[in-house]
Amino acid sequence: GAVVSQHPSRVICKSGTSVKIECRSLDFQATTMFWYRQFPKKSLMLMATSNEGSKATYEQGVEKDKFLINHASLTLSTLTVTSAHPEDSSFYICSARVRGTDTQYFGPGTRLTVL
Amino acid sequence: QKEVEQNSGPLSVPEGAIASLNCTYSDRGSQSFFWYRQYSGKSPELIMSIYSNGDKEDGRFTAQLNKASQYVSLLIRDSQPSDSATYLCAVNMKETDKLIFGTGTRLQVFP
Repeated sequence: GAVVSQHPSRVICKSGTSVKIECRSLDFQATTMFWYRQFPKKSLMLMATSNEGSKATYEQGVEKDKFLINHASLTLSTLTVTSAHPEDSSFYICSARVRGTDTQYFGPGTRLTVL
Repeated sequence: QKEVEQNSGPLSVPEGAIASLNCTYSDRGSQSFFWYRQYSGKSPELIMSIYSNGDKEDGRFTAQLNKASQYVSLLIRDSQPSDSATYLCAVNMKETDKLIFGTGTRLQVFP
């Protein structure tokens, strides 16, 4: 199956700092990637859709200036959490959609803890 | 009405039994349906996709789709303790082209 990597897997940072998370499709090209957030014992919440070469589309209630998304190539999307606060602590998961299909493959996730 | 509904469980089955997981969805125009497995602390892993009415089998897993009833199910035969996880039903909404997830059903397979 298609492989998606995510880095880092875990990060602890101080309040007010910025954190960048990378999502890569390793063996396929992904014109569309998605960023999700998941709180403990809750379902996945879509934050934004990232399209290669264009601006990301954010879901209602997600601050685009706080969660910066860049989809620089067909295999890489990044999410930057700016000026992180403790309430941003969560499990962030990216997914990539195989071109020409609607199947999404998920990365292993990044657990962010903001102190 | 929630867009994708699942019973949260837990669903407890003995090892070797068939586990039956169910999901209903609201968007009648949806064409693509997926089952993901998520172990605690991990990200979702795709198990199966199904697009046509009827059954689709892959190893111990069988997905069933009934578009008229807006119902998707996943059967796991010969359940193993390693199948213990949360199973997420996901539906690709035609209008938005986004996956909508159910809240998941927690499955527990006991020896």
